[in-house]
Amino acid sequence: EVHLVESGGGLVKPGGSLRLSCAASKLNFSSYSMNWVRQAPGKGLEWVSTITTSGNDKYYADSVKGRFTTSRDNAKNSLYLQMNSLRVEDTAVYYCAAAPIATDAFHFWGQGTMVTVSS
Amino acid sequence: EIVLTQSPGTLSLSPGERATLSCRASQSVTSNFLAWFQQKPGQAPRLVIYGASTRATGIPDRFSGSGSGTDFTLTISRLESEDFAVYYCQQYGPSPKTFGQGTKVEIK
Repeated sequence: EVHLVESGGGLVKPGGSLRLSCAASKLNFSSYSMNWVRQAPGKGLEWVSTITTSGNDKYYADSVKGRFTTSRDNAKNSLYLQMNSLRVEDTAVYYCAAAPIATDAFHFWGQGTMVTVSS
Repeated sequence: EIVLTQSPGTLSLSPGERATLSCRASQSVTSNFLAWFQQKPGQAPRLVIYGASTRATGIPDRFSGSGSGTDFTLTISRLESEDFAVYYCQQYGPSPKTFGQGTKVEIK
């Protein structure tokens, strides 16, 4: 069974930084584009970022562009989200999601990690 | 950016009834790259439908998706207790891969 596990969440002050990780197992990781999706408390889902299988192409929501950076290490079956200049409105559960190149749909999701930005 | 508008916001139904959820896009969705997710409180979203009409692995056949272009529908033919949840549509064509605001299916 495919397993995605996010880590790295926590409490950070506005303007601070945090690095999230997503470890994948039972997955041919290099055959999946990877995504970050977040959900603010009591709100809906918001797409944050996508990185292609090779890592050569990355896409970001306007709300995080220039502040967040997605990367991956296919040798370690891992996905990362470097979050800088954090704002109160970045407070959310952050999910990683895997999309096979055959369909591009977000078939597999992690359980999420909570990021709280507060002074 | 494609904006997805889901309706209704809340659907109050009884077990055994039929649920019909709508998702309307502000422009045509590329290659019908439209998915539906189910989310229960405290849980991650679960893929239900992709490609507008293909059920994901393990999804029972009471779930069906239809539509193309800008209008899509998720139908649950006979609601069971485990189906009461929030459902989101998403277009996963060219980025940004936007989500609708969600429809809550609650027990009447």
